[in-house]
Order: sequence, then structure tokens, then C-alpha cells
Amino acid sequence: DAMVIQNPRYQVTQFGKPVTLSCSQTLNHNVMYWYQQKSSQAPKLLFHYYDKDFNNEADTPDNFQSRRPNTSFCFLDIRSPGLGDAAMYLCATSRGGISYEQYFGPGTRLTVT
Amino acid sequence: AQSVSQHNHHVILSEAASLELGCNYSYGGTVNLFWYVQYPGQHLQLLLKYFSGDPLVKGIKGFEAEFIKSKFSFNLRKPSVQWSDTAEYFCAVNARGFGNEKLTFGTGTRLTIIP
Repeated sequence: DAMVIQNPRYQVTQFGKPVTLSCSQTLNHNVMYWYQQKSSQAPKLLFHYYDKDFNNEADTPDNFQSRRPNTSFCFLDIRSPGLGDAAMYLCATSRGGISYEQYFGPGTRLTVT
Repeated sequence: AQSVSQHNHHVILSEAASLELGCNYSYGGTVNLFWYVQYPGQHLQLLLKYFSGDPLVKGIKGFEAEFIKSKFSFNLRKPSVQWSDTAEYFCAVNARGFGNEKLTFGTGTRLTIIP
């Protein structure tokens, strides 16, 4: 089945130790998104790629970076995780254009110790 | 920028009860509207969407939502809920012509169905 895959599902990292979360898709969608979701809160968009064009949200901390080496893969890099970065990180995709529906992966739960 | 409000944070119902979850958005232009559902331990899934046309849209699992433009609302309804509807429900809006591909989510409503 075509889908959005996130690895790992659970990630534990130490305070200040860089961590990378990965997302892949078999939908061949143009747009890939990264969201941060904290408990009982709405998913918060961090950034997205429309093809190779990177779009950063104004309030996304510099600590968060992203890479999209090809259509299928997108990575979220957290350079120096703080305790406040512990959250669920969701990857989503969409075709873009006039099709606005987003398809979500299962998420990676990040714990910072 | 657009915003979405979901006033019910936690709703508890008995099976077979009727459901209505509120969603209001603020944006003066044309919008696309969505309801997503997140079952326990699962990923966000699209429940239904409104782009244009009939303001009453039907989704999966017996859910429907009505877009009332004058009230900036897109409330979710189901006439008779089941235990399996226990989940978190998120309303989302996309403002057309402005960052087309971005969604703004509400804070979610946790629905608990008591058998």
C-alpha cells in the first residue's frame, strides 16, 4: 500500500545531542511537511518542501533543519535538542497544486533526557 | 493569517448518542475545510473535506459536516456514535490562494464513547 513511513517510531536522545528523524513516501507527492505535536495541542507546522523549494515557518527555531534529497525522502534534523523539543513529530505529504489533502505518517515520538 | 477554534476539548458520550463537534475558523477569503481523526495509537486520517459545492459533506464511518459560511463554522456530526469512534478529532483549514498547500489545525477534541 502507498503510504507515509516514519522511522524510528520512538527516539530517545540526550540534551544537546543532534538527532535526525526520517520520513519516506511511496505516494510520489510533491509536497512534504514536518509538524511538531505536543500533548493536547494542535499539530504545528515547522516547514515544508514543495518539490525542492524549502518553506520555513517564521516561528520555527533555528535548531530545526530539514533536508529533502529526493522526492521520496525528507529528514528533520534537530541540532541541539532541548527538553522543550520533546514531542511527537509528524510527517505528511500532499500532491500540491489544487489538491490540499494531506496524508500523515504515524509519527516519531521524541524523548529528550 | 487564518486560525481555527475547537471549543470542546473533551466530549464524553454514551454509545448511540448523537454527536456534534464545533469548529470555527477566522479567515475572510475562500477556504478549504477538513476534519481529521486520530484513533488511539494511530496516525491522523482524513475524515471528510469541503472544497466547494454542497455545504453538507459526508465522510467515512457515517460522519458528516456542514459548512456555514455566514458563521465561519464547519461542525462535525454523527447521528449515533459507536465505541470505536473514541479518538481525537481535529478541524483544519486551508486558505486558498495564500500558501495553498498549508493547513492550520485546531487544538483538537478528544471524544470518549462509553459502552
